[in-house]
Amino acid sequence: DVKVTQSSRYLVKRTGEKVFLECVQDMDHENMFWYRQDPGLGLRLIYFSYDVKMKEKGDIPEGYSVSREKKERFSLILESASTNQTSMYLCASSSTTGTGSQPQHFGDGTRLSIL
Amino acid sequence: AQSVTQLDSQVPVFEEAPVELRCNYSSSVSVYLFWYVQYPNQGLQLLLKYLSGSTLVESINGFEAEFNKSQTSFHLRKPSVHISDTAEYFCAVRSSGGSNYKLTFGKGTLLTVNP
Repeated sequence: DVKVTQSSRYLVKRTGEKVFLECVQDMDHENMFWYRQDPGLGLRLIYFSYDVKMKEKGDIPEGYSVSREKKERFSLILESASTNQTSMYLCASSSTTGTGSQPQHFGDGTRLSIL
Repeated sequence: AQSVTQLDSQVPVFEEAPVELRCNYSSSVSVYLFWYVQYPNQGLQLLLKYLSGSTLVESINGFEAEFNKSQTSFHLRKPSVHISDTAEYFCAVRSSGGSNYKLTFGKGTLLTVNP
């Protein structure tokens, strides 16, 4: 089974801090994704990566950056955390096999609170 | 651009009753369709997917969904629900061509099964 592991389930940080959320997958997937999930808004894509050192902006990239130095690891960075970034963050990965027919596999999420 | 509309944000039902969670999508190209389930405090898990072929797809736990191209719908159904089916359900769409691996999610439907 695919395993997507997010480093923290719960995280509390202060306004203005630089925050790192880490995600590791063990299936050699090319694609990795970061979403945030808010009540009533569903999942919104922040950034995704289709290869090492490659990244593309999603729908809501403002205030975030990402890093993918190794294929299995995709990091989300909040440059200067703000209270409106309090949310559930979900990481996902998928294979490029089958031109998009492969599903995304999700981690359990990190519930981030910015005080 | 693609979009997904889940017509009901909340669906309360009694145990052993049938349920239908509605999903409509818009896309100018052929699509792959997915239903994901999220149990409390967990990430998303793939429930079922439509790629091609038979328009009726089934999951291992009794859910089924039917792809209707003319109505651009992919409604999820179960003839008899259990308490354990209480969860949030997300419909998602991806275009079937090219190298676009991004999913577009609906805002989710919270299914609550009451005894």
